[in-house]
Order: sequence, then structure tokens, then C-alpha cells
Amino acid sequence: AIQLTQSPSSLSASVGDRVTITCRASQGISSALAWYQQKPGKAPKLLIYDASSLESGVPSRFSGSGSGTDFTLTISSLQPEDFATYYCQQFNSYLIFTFGPGTKVDIK
Amino acid sequence: EVQLVESGGGLVQPGRSLRLSCAASGFTFDDYAMHWVRQAPGKGLEWVSGISWNSGSIGYADSVKGRFTISRDNAKNSLYLQMNSLRAEDTALYYCAKDFGAALTYFQHWGQGTLVTVSS
Repeated sequence: AIQLTQSPSSLSASVGDRVTITCRASQGISSALAWYQQKPGKAPKLLIYDASSLESGVPSRFSGSGSGTDFTLTISSLQPEDFATYYCQQFNSYLIFTFGPGTKVDIK
Repeated sequence: EVQLVESGGGLVQPGRSLRLSCAASGFTFDDYAMHWVRQAPGKGLEWVSGISWNSGSIGYADSVKGRFTISRDNAKNSLYLQMNSLRAEDTALYYCAKDFGAALTYFQHWGQGTLVTVSS
């Protein structure tokens, strides 16, 4: 089964910082990757799909890139409401869906 | 506005069964695949099962295969998860999620979840 790893597992950043989170797949997944944001006590929210497509209503400071095995989520200028845990997720033709372990972004 | 409301969670003994339901509104239910995703307390997200718009494609995580059954009733705009032979490790908040499209891809909208606790 395809495994996803994320780095870092946590980071501390300040408002206005540029933040980059990496997701690596154990084998190539083309661009079949999404990113989600989850705040404490809330359901996850889709941010990015197909590796780089911005979900409707998501601020443009969020962007995604990559294909194959290496992907990144970038927040160009961190805002107070962006402090949360971020997960990557992949799917494949064998109906297997995998999440990464998550990256917690908190206030420095 | 898309709304997904889960129900059916609760405290259940190991080995027993539980059936979760998800009532959907605000979109054309039979145009979209649907999923169940769970989150154990303090842990990450785990996909449990998914079903395409017409029930033609169904998938399960290895951890639940043979014990859980997903189904949908398009006439009732409802998604279900029959959970049998429950184990302590099935304890989690179970989310119903609407897919991005008719096939099984991404989780575009989520409910607020229903808590399942498996304990004697």
C-alpha cells in the first residue's frame, strides 16, 4: 500500500511567515493528491486537490505543487486563522485512500 | 449549502454491532460518491470506506474489511455504515464526507462526525 509521510511533523511560525509543508509518497501517484486543514474540534476542510488546484473559496495564499512522489503545500503569508493541522491525502485506482500523519502549525 | 449530518454513534461493547447514518442535503446526492473517514481521539485521519454514486465501486480500508459494510439509499439521500465485530481500536469520531465527484477521489465536504466508543 502507498504510504504518505509529511515533514515536518510540527512547526512554529509567526504571522506573515512563509510556510512550506512537504508530503512524500512511497510510490508515484501522479497528481492524485489533496491537502486538508483541520482546526481543533472541527471537521477537516479541503484546500487543494489534484496537487495544485485551489478549492473554491480557499484564500490564494494557499498553493500546492508537485507530482509523482514529492508534493508541497505553501502558505505564502501565514494568517492567525491558519494555525491548524494539515494533512495530505492520496487516492489510487485500487480504491485505496491514504492520509499523511499530519503537520501541526502553531504560533511561535 | 451542503449539509451532512451523521447519527448512530454511541457506546458499544466489543464484538457488538452499530449502524451509522448520514443524512445529506443541499446537493444532488446521487451525483456524488460518498465516504466514511474516522479519527481516533488525538490521532490523525483514517479513511474507512467509500462508495461511488451508483454503488458500483466500493472500497474498504484493510482495518475494517470483512467487518464493515457501506451502503447508500439515493432515494433517501442517505449514507450508511454497518459496523460488525467492533473492536476497541474502532473507537473514533466517524465523519461522513462527500466526494469531489461521482467516482472516488477527494473529500470535498464533511459532516461534524458521530462518536463511536467501543468498550466493555
